[in-house]
Amino acid sequence: EDKVVQSPLSLVVHEGDTVTLNCSYEVTNFRSLLWYKQEKKAPTFLFMLTSSGIEKKSGRLSSILDKKELSSILNITATQTGDSAIYLCAVRHSGGGADGLTFGKGTHLIIQP
Amino acid sequence: EPEVTQTPSHQVTQMGQEVILRCVPISNHLYFYWYRQILGQKVEFLVSFYNNEISEKSEIFDDQFSVERPDGSNFTLKIRSTKLEDSAMYFCASLGQRNTGELFFGEGSRLTVL
Repeated sequence: EDKVVQSPLSLVVHEGDTVTLNCSYEVTNFRSLLWYKQEKKAPTFLFMLTSSGIEKKSGRLSSILDKKELSSILNITATQTGDSAIYLCAVRHSGGGADGLTFGKGTHLIIQP
Repeated sequence: EPEVTQTPSHQVTQMGQEVILRCVPISNHLYFYWYRQILGQKVEFLVSFYNNEISEKSEIFDDQFSVERPDGSNFTLKIRSTKLEDSAMYFCASLGQRNTGELFFGEGSRLTVL
């Protein structure tokens, strides 16, 4: 069975801290891994990773894929209260629904002032 | 900025009633999806749609569900006879090119079945 596992499921830190969110996967014919941020409703896209070892960066957020370990991490440095959200990892693979995605349960990140 | 729009944002219905959720995908996109998220649980794939037919569907997408693209712009999800366990947030998503880029999600339609 294809699966995507995220850890931790929830995390509470103080503003200014750095956090690392984890995602591991076991899927058939991996194509890409995507990170989304879900605040109130719709997931909004953060990164898409297809190649191992190449870091993608956007401001204080960065992510990297390790195909050997079948995992990815999402780093957020100098966290702000606006980073509070559920961070979703999703994997595109064959059997994921004609290029649809299999999602993990998400990491609920809470940034305290 | 182009976006996926969904209506209604929230619908309350009685068990056994039919519900239609509507989506307008991004205009030049070709691949369309429905996902659902039961409160507190993960986002789950329901169905994908391309070239006016279902490409793939999950185990959740049983005979009570159907999708169609009636007029070339709207993409609808119909639930024929709703059950309590159908209560969830339903997300529509669209994709421009296969294997490239990310899915764009709508804001979701919250369905509450009483």
